[in-house]
Amino acid sequence: EPEVTQTPSHQVTQMGQEVILRCVPISNHLYFYWYRQILGQKVEFLVSFYNNEISEKSEIFDDQFSVERPDGSNFTLKIRSTKLEDSAMYFCASRQGLEINYGYTFGSGTRLTVV
Amino acid sequence: QQQVKQSPQSLIVQKGGISIINCAYENTAFDYFPWYQQFPGKGPALLIAIRPDVSEKKEGRFTISFNKSAKQFSLHIMDSQPGDSATYFCAATLTGGGNKLTFGTGTQLKVEL
Repeated sequence: EPEVTQTPSHQVTQMGQEVILRCVPISNHLYFYWYRQILGQKVEFLVSFYNNEISEKSEIFDDQFSVERPDGSNFTLKIRSTKLEDSAMYFCASRQGLEINYGYTFGSGTRLTVV
Repeated sequence: QQQVKQSPQSLIVQKGGISIINCAYENTAFDYFPWYQQFPGKGPALLIAIRPDVSEKKEGRFTISFNKSAKQFSLHIMDSQPGDSATYFCAATLTGGGNKLTFGTGTQLKVEL
């Protein structure tokens, strides 16, 4: 079964450093998302991406965050200057289409720890 | 307005018992209500979903009950098994837009032998 692949599985970074989280969505999927889950809390929407541009973003997704699909296969989330409160599990997801029968496929996540 | 409230936070059920997890939503525009199952170290995976035009949907041991007037929906796991031990999230979305998911806070289910 096709999978969404995320790397690395765990990243530790110093506060103020830039991090890039990488995702390889399923190859025929067109819609891409980042969600995050702070430990013990709910999964929260960050951003959706379609046709090489952001289609929607949450209030969490401020100018410290950016997304890119640099080469047609990878989908990246960059945090420019990490803060302690950015520590969370970050999930990438993709969908083939927007019709509701096209469900989300989530990756296994990247656990980001900011120290 | 966008919140989805979920309870209980954790649940212990004996093998063979019924697990019940409840959710309530505020935004009446939501029109699709999926449940996700998450095992440790994995991403959420779609378990079962319902639209508000039906009151119940059953898939195997998993049933969603939906009460549109009360703005509540629940997941019932019949004959709960140790392999069902996971975190369960309810969610809601508007299918007309980008379909971003609004998740509940999650329920950690443990099924004991």
